[in-house]
Amino acid sequence: EIVLTQSPATLSLSPGESATLSCRASQSVSSYLAWYQQRPGQPPRLLIYDASIRATGIPARFSGSGSGTDFTLTISSLEPEDFAVYFCQQRSSWPPVTFGQGTKLEIK
Amino acid sequence: QVQLVASGGGVVQPERSLRLSCAASGFNFSDFDMHWVRQTPGKGLEWVAVMWFDGSNAYYTDSVKGRFTISRDNSKNTLFLQMNSVRADDTAVYFCARDFGRSDDQPLLLFDFWGQGILVTVSS
Repeated sequence: EIVLTQSPATLSLSPGESATLSCRASQSVSSYLAWYQQRPGQPPRLLIYDASIRATGIPARFSGSGSGTDFTLTISSLEPEDFAVYFCQQRSSWPPVTFGQGTKLEIK
Repeated sequence: QVQLVASGGGVVQPERSLRLSCAASGFNFSDFDMHWVRQTPGKGLEWVAVMWFDGSNAYYTDSVKGRFTISRDNSKNTLFLQMNSVRADDTAVYFCARDFGRSDDQPLLLFDFWGQGILVTVSS
């Protein structure tokens, strides 16, 4: 099973700043890495798939990069609605599909 | 618009059974592979199972294999999860989720629409 490790666990920033979230895989997942956003009381929402492709309707301030084992989600110029929990997910080797443990982006 | 509405959750005693349902609307249900994903504060998000769009194939995470069964009724636009011999560590919010699409006769294993989630608590 591929283990995804996200860092940091919590990131405290102010609106308007940029956020950089990391996801590291225990073995290569090629580019089969996705990012989801989860707001309180809501299900996850697909943001990015295949490392860098934005899902439909996702603002351009969200961008993804990386391949192999190291991936980054960047959110430029944070909006109030961006403060949430972010999960990465791999689909390279399954079953099972696996998720990271999440990074909480909180308002400083 | 796409809607996934889960039902059937609640409190269940260890070793008993529970059946979750997920009613789909707003899209052609029989064209899409469907998943169950669960979430706990301690273990985060955990993929549980997938069922092929036509019901021909299903896969499970190891921890539920032999205890849980995913199924669907395309005539009723409904996905099911039969949970048998439940354990305390099955306690979670369970989401049904639609797969994003297919490639090479397999689901993409991306989740583009999710239900609101339903709480299952295993406790005596």
